[in-house]
Amino acid sequence: AQRVTQPEKLLSVFKGAPVELKCNYSYSGSPELFWYVQYSRQRLQLLLRHISRESIKGFTADLNKGETSFHLKKPFAQEEDSAMYYCALSSSNTGKLIFGQGTTLQVKP
Amino acid sequence: NAGVMQNPRHLVRRRGQEARLRCSPMKGHSHVYWYRQLPEEGLKFMVYLQKENIIDESGMPKERFSAEFPKEGPSILRIQQVVRGDSAAYFCASSPRSGQGKSGNTIYFGEGSWLTVV
Repeated sequence: AQRVTQPEKLLSVFKGAPVELKCNYSYSGSPELFWYVQYSRQRLQLLLRHISRESIKGFTADLNKGETSFHLKKPFAQEEDSAMYYCALSSSNTGKLIFGQGTTLQVKP
Repeated sequence: NAGVMQNPRHLVRRRGQEARLRCSPMKGHSHVYWYRQLPEEGLKFMVYLQKENIIDESGMPKERFSAEFPKEGPSILRIQQVVRGDSAAYFCASSPRSGQGKSGNTIYFGEGSWLTVV
């Protein structure tokens, strides 16, 4: 079964602290994984995708096929990073995305 | 490019009424996806459409829900005889072609339509 799991519903850290948002997936084949961010009641925005191996707003994510994980990391959290973060898997050539449950990141001053 | 436009942003319906949610994809995009975000839950895929065709409706409830993407005009998600459990945010997304991530293809999301059933 194709599934994305984000075990933490809420992650609360202080400004300047490191952040790791966990994402595990279940997929047979070569997955394509993404992180989306949703600021309060706004549209989802693509944060990064594993195939491009880029860093956006200081965030990075590495695909670990052995552990079937795609954790999102940032060394120093900023207050403006507070948002809902979704890990997603693209399951087929149709582009259909399977989302995790989402993790709310709260960065306290 | 105005992005993916959804309207209405907020819709209140009484139980038993019909709800129609509209989505205008980005210019040049012929692929549309609808997702539902229930309170305290993640996003769930509902349906994937291309112009005049439903490609994948595996996430659509079997009854009361329908979607279309006509040759001209926006995509419409229609919910008949709404019930309280339909209260959710409905997100539309579009892409120029299928396969997010392939050859740089990207899916862009609208700001969502919040349906409240009273």
